[in-house]
Amino acid sequence: EVQLVETGGGLIQPGGSLRLSCAASGFTVSSNYMSWVRQAPGKGLEWVSVIYSGGSTYYADSVKGRFTISRDNSKNTLYLQMNSLRAEDTAVYYCARVEYDWINGPDAFDIWGQGTMVTVSS
Amino acid sequence: QSVLTQPPSASGTPGQRVTISCSGSSSNIGSNYVYWYQQLPGTAPKLLIYRNNQRPSGVPDRFSGSKSGTSASLAISGLRSEDEADYYCAAWDDSLRGVFGGGTKLTVL
Repeated sequence: EVQLVETGGGLIQPGGSLRLSCAASGFTVSSNYMSWVRQAPGKGLEWVSVIYSGGSTYYADSVKGRFTISRDNSKNTLYLQMNSLRAEDTAVYYCARVEYDWINGPDAFDIWGQGTMVTVSS
Repeated sequence: QSVLTQPPSASGTPGQRVTISCSGSSSNIGSNYVYWYQQLPGTAPKLLIYRNNQRPSGVPDRFSGSKSGTSASLAISGLRSEDEADYYCAAWDDSLRGVFGGGTKLTVL
């Protein structure tokens, strides 16, 4: 079964660091584009970052320089390292598989995890 | 402030047809595909429409998407109570970053 399971969320103080994990099953993370999307409480979806199968990475301006997306091919797992956390980073973080087209690039978020909650508060 | 603009709410009665709009710019919707996601209460988003007007396997044909210029719309015909959810439009922009609309809460009266 194709599945994504996020872990690593929790309560963290402002300025702190946290690493989220997203374990994949049923497909290979390294052969796909993978993304993180977050949703603040009661708010809409916000794209955070994407990593291409070739290793290129892109970030939303709101997290650039503070967050790092990566993957461990041996563990078939995607990560999001979050540093210098702020109150406005409080959200449910979803990982998602991104379909891609060799001509048009990234496509739909076709598989989503259940999300993990990150709360930044003192 | 979301990059793509959607109405915050929409409503309809069972059996009705409802449309949700999504407005962007030349760097996102104007030059890339549009996607729609459905988020039922307390659950993760689910892909509803991809590449402007394509339905993934399992999505009823009551759901349809269209795009014109820098705008797109989602139409739901034969509205059912289980369609009550939040709907988000999305696209990739020319800088290879994802963008979402603010979401539309659909109420089935």
